Amino acid sequence: DAGVIQSPRHEVTEMGQEVTLRCKPISGHNSLFWYRQTMMRGLELLIYFNNNVPIDDSGMPEDRFSAKMPNASFSTLKIQPSEPRDSAVYFCASSLGGPQETQYFGPGTRLLVL
Amino acid sequence: AQSVTQLDSQVPVFEEAPVELRCNYSSSVSVYLFWYVQYPNQGLQLLLKYLSGSTLVKSINGFEAEFNKSQTSFHLRKPSVHISDTAEYFCAVATGGFKTIFGAGTRLFVKA
Repeated sequence: DAGVIQSPRHEVTEMGQEVTLRCKPISGHNSLFWYRQTMMRGLELLIYFNNNVPIDDSGMPEDRFSAKMPNASFSTLKIQPSEPRDSAVYFCASSLGGPQETQYFGPGTRLLVL
Repeated sequence: AQSVTQLDSQVPVFEEAPVELRCNYSSSVSVYLFWYVQYPNQGLQLLLKYLSGSTLVKSINGFEAEFNKSQTSFHLRKPSVHISDTAEYFCAVATGGFKTIFGAGTRLFVKA
């Protein structure tokens, strides 16, 4: 299995621009998670989906952030407009669902907003 | 509500020395407990997990953790560390639903 795939791996953009991060979960997994990691705040859960349905988006920082999962093999996290404080590493993870299941993380997207 | 506390943000240790990374959790219900490891510039990956049964769980690379219900702890130990163990380690807890709560992480530095 290829594991969780994220693209792009690196993104540099200017403040105010739209940023779209993409994730392909492991085939057969029905839960998908978006995390943000920074030195200051550590690992934060932004949103998670089960069977393509958003279950909890309470971690999404503000309305500038949105996430979609149109089908079982694809999800996007969009920031519009982006701000310098959004600079972070964004991880996507997937699992078979259920609290006892292991989460499998992608390699992350390193975002820098200038 | 669940929470996870990793008591040490950084742990420096010499190669071949033993190490313990501490983790305490709070939850009013039964829990599942995990340790994940993050090597530089990579995503997190599972190191070991406790679901039920034996309270001592082991990984393939020599780490072990013991679930202590009375002390609500799940400390990670290794009797002899290698340079390659240098990484950040995250303790995590899950109960019901789909959400897993991660600790703040402990950076393990193994020195030659």
